[in-house]
Amino acid sequence: GQQLNQSPQSMFIQEGEDVSMNCTSSSIFNTWLWYKQDPGEGPVLLIALYKAGELTSNGRLTAQFGITRKDSFLNISASIPSDVGIYFCAGLTGGGNKLTFGTGTQLKVEL
Amino acid sequence: GAVVSQHPSRVICKSGTSVKIECRSLDFQATTMFWYRQFPKQSLMLMATSNEGSKATYEQGVEKDKFLINHASLTLSTLTVTSAHPEDSSFYICSASGGTGRDYGYTFGSGTRLTVV
Repeated sequence: GQQLNQSPQSMFIQEGEDVSMNCTSSSIFNTWLWYKQDPGEGPVLLIALYKAGELTSNGRLTAQFGITRKDSFLNISASIPSDVGIYFCAGLTGGGNKLTFGTGTQLKVEL
Repeated sequence: GAVVSQHPSRVICKSGTSVKIECRSLDFQATTMFWYRQFPKQSLMLMATSNEGSKATYEQGVEKDKFLINHASLTLSTLTVTSAHPEDSSFYICSASGGTGRDYGYTFGSGTRLTVV
């Protein structure tokens, strides 16, 4: 099935640094969701975006719904060791109920 | 907030046997439940969508006779892997959609690690 392209595929950063990752698609989505998955666990919803151009924050996390509705961005400020994990974007079309997942960005934080 | 419970978290079974995985929405009614499969270092791949009281809709390439899905109530869906083989070993995750308001979102269970020996 279709997947959304996430970049970078992985990143290794220093504690305290800011992190940016993005998700792009060739198709338009009406809802964008960002999840974090820890090893051996299911994904946990971080932020949901429902409107083009929307900018939403959740603590140190900020995500934006791209104006073209074909992309989304996630920023993490002042990273800490517990931010380690895999981040997935997911998109939902207006007429459907199935999520399309991104390829994932693995984040590793160096103390 | 919305909570989805998945059980068991880990299961080891012998080749040829069947395994049942349960997915429950604990504090909301899940009109739709989804089953995913995830291989190591890969993304989630949707296997099937189930609506309460109706037959599941399977994604292309997923054998419906091998992966039996039952969604008998608004809070419970089960996935049964029949005649399991080693290649069925994977991480299976369910999600549930329902509830009220904008933030019903899609909540995921904690996953089931299936190992077929």
